[in-house]
Amino acid sequence: AQRVTQPEKLLSVFKGAPVELKCNYSYSGSPELFWYVQYSRQRLQLLLRHISRESIKGFTADLNKGETSFHLKKPFAQEEDSAMYYCALSPPHGGSQGNLIFGKGTKLSVKP
Amino acid sequence: DTAVSQTPKYLVTQMGNDKSIKCEQNLGHDTMYWYKQDSKKFLKIMFSYNNKELIINETVPNRFSPKSPDKAHLNLHINSLELGDSAVYFCASSPNNVGSQHNSPLHFGNGTRLTVT
Repeated sequence: AQRVTQPEKLLSVFKGAPVELKCNYSYSGSPELFWYVQYSRQRLQLLLRHISRESIKGFTADLNKGETSFHLKKPFAQEEDSAMYYCALSPPHGGSQGNLIFGKGTKLSVKP
Repeated sequence: DTAVSQTPKYLVTQMGNDKSIKCEQNLGHDTMYWYKQDSKKFLKIMFSYNNKELIINETVPNRFSPKSPDKAHLNLHINSLELGDSAVYFCASSPNNVGSQHNSPLHFGNGTRLTVT
């Protein structure tokens, strides 16, 4: 079954501390993985995707096919990082276009 | 210059009523979607639609129906509203993947918070 698991409902860290939001997936094939972020009172927006291999706002995520994980990391959390983070999976190109399967989300709270 | 816009932002209505939520995108995208975010913040796709194909999530009750007057619009019509329909509904769009090696990310609207009393 296709599934995205984010084990932590809430993650609270202090400013300047490292942060890791966990994401594991279940999919028989090679999906595309994304992280979306929803800041307070704002729309859901793409943060990064595994094919880009880039750092956005200091966040990185590496796809580990062996562990079927796509954890989101940032070495030094900032207060403005506080938001809801969703890990999402999309079938590989040629499958159901854009039909993302979302995890249940992790609320990140960065305290001063 | 909002890319994906939804109206209304808030909708409060009584059980049994019929209501619609409108969505418009000015990105020239070919595919549009409706997602439902429940009280626990869980996001789940309801529909995806382009001018060729409507894909319905089988768990969506048939009281929900998408209506697309043109490529830039995908409205969500809900009949006989129930308490459990209370949620935030997000519209999204993406371009076609033709010619691309990868799926395109989605562009979301701000959401419509529906409260059924």
